[in-house]
Amino acid sequence: DTAVSQTPKYLVTQMGNDKSIKCEQNLGHDTMYWYKQDSKKFLKIMFSYNNKELIINETVPNRFSPKSPDKAHLNLHINSLELGDSAVYFCASSQGGATLGYTFGSGTRLTVV
Amino acid sequence: DAKTTQPPSMDCAEGRAANLPCNHSTISGNEYVYWYRQIHSQGPQYIIHGLKNNETNEMASLIITEDRKSSTLILPHATLRDTAVYYCIVIPNFGNEKLTFGTGTRLTIIP
Repeated sequence: DTAVSQTPKYLVTQMGNDKSIKCEQNLGHDTMYWYKQDSKKFLKIMFSYNNKELIINETVPNRFSPKSPDKAHLNLHINSLELGDSAVYFCASSQGGATLGYTFGSGTRLTVV
Repeated sequence: DAKTTQPPSMDCAEGRAANLPCNHSTISGNEYVYWYRQIHSQGPQYIIHGLKNNETNEMASLIITEDRKSSTLILPHATLRDTAVYYCIVIPNFGNEKLTFGTGTRLTIIP
């Protein structure tokens, strides 16, 4: 059983398209995150949600819209995709503060052509 | 978040202990030291964390200096599967804090 699962694993799309990445966690955690890892391998937080409420938004363009239908799911919708959006996107979850650690998904490699 | 400094890369022979240092001289009293690793193309994986005492689990040991300004992650018997980028992160223990990743240390285990 995968604790944090993301779909799809790979996504290739053309510039200007709209796409979504889904994330689900079965750990019962109350906080979920989206991280972006660019071509230089830097991992940067984009958003976090706690019990379906947005708590962190790291100046991400408003073309990116996270949606959390319940605390087990945090989806990422991206409008008008640009070449610079090409990256690996990781979903993560945590519970009760940092001391209990974060669990990451296996990533979604997005390629915009 | 306190800034951490790690060497960009290290090599270690298979079967030997890998010792990965981290400097966090501006760490605050309420901040924990966390270690994660990222094996190629996978999501970051939690390894261990500590506040001021040394910690050990099935994956590694964490040695934190008495002044808490630096720490060392020890993989006691490194295997080829330990080849990865290792990140040292300091983070307060309240709320659901974001993890801020630096550049980490690329550890290569040599057969």
